[in-house]
Amino acid sequence: NAGVTQTPKFQVLKTGQSMTLQCAQDMNHNSMYWYRQDPGMGLRLIYYSASEGTTDKGEVPNGYNVSRLNKREFSLRLESAAPSQTSVYFCASREARLGYNEQFFGPGTRLTVL
Amino acid sequence: SQQGEEDPQALSIQEGENATMNCSYKTSINNLQWYRQNSGRGLVHLILIRSNEREKHSGRLRVTLDTSKKSSSLLITASRAADTASYFCATQITGTASKLTFGTGTRLQVTL
Repeated sequence: NAGVTQTPKFQVLKTGQSMTLQCAQDMNHNSMYWYRQDPGMGLRLIYYSASEGTTDKGEVPNGYNVSRLNKREFSLRLESAAPSQTSVYFCASREARLGYNEQFFGPGTRLTVL
Repeated sequence: SQQGEEDPQALSIQEGENATMNCSYKTSINNLQWYRQNSGRGLVHLILIRSNEREKHSGRLRVTLDTSKKSSSLLITASRAADTASYFCATQITGTASKLTFGTGTRLQVTL
C-alpha cells in the first residue's frame, strides 16, 4: 500500500497563477484533510472532508478551494496564488470509525509563490 | 490561534538520555495525540491518550495527560540519534469529531 500520496513534491508559481495539488489515499479512509505548515506555526487546517461528498472549512480557508473527487482523492486548488501561500502543504486521511482517530499523512508539497 | 503550545521549542540531548516535551491546550478535548516529523517528511502518529486516561505507554514513549491543567507531556526514554525529529501534540476538541488542532512543535536533537 502506498498510503497517502501527493503530487507534485515541489512547485514554484508566480503571483496570480493557479494550480491544483493532488492527494490520493489507498486505505479506504472516509475522512481527508489539507494542512499548511509554516515555520514556527505548526500545522493549520485549510479544508477537510469528513466523508465522500462533503467538504468543510478549517482554520485558514481563504484563497483555497477543494474537491473531494471520490473516496480516494481530495484536491486543493489555488485560484490566484499569492506570496503568503508559500508553504508546505500536507494531505492526511483518517478512518472515520469510532476509536480510529489517527491521521495518516502524505509526504508534502513544497510550494513557493514568487 | 494555536490550540496547543509546546515547550520547549527546541531540545538538545545526548544519546541515552531521556527527553521530555510538554504541551498545553486551551479547551476541552476528546483525546490528545503526539506525532513525529522527520526533516522534510510528513507526520507520523506516535501515541494517543483519551481524556479519561492519565498515562499511557508505548515502547520507549510515555505520555501523561492532566485535564485539570490542560497539559500533556511526552517522555522518550533512552533516546537514540534516530529520535532526532520535531514532535507535535494534536488535540481533538470536544464536539469536533473529525478535526485535530496541532501545536507548534518541539524540535529534538539527539547527539552521539
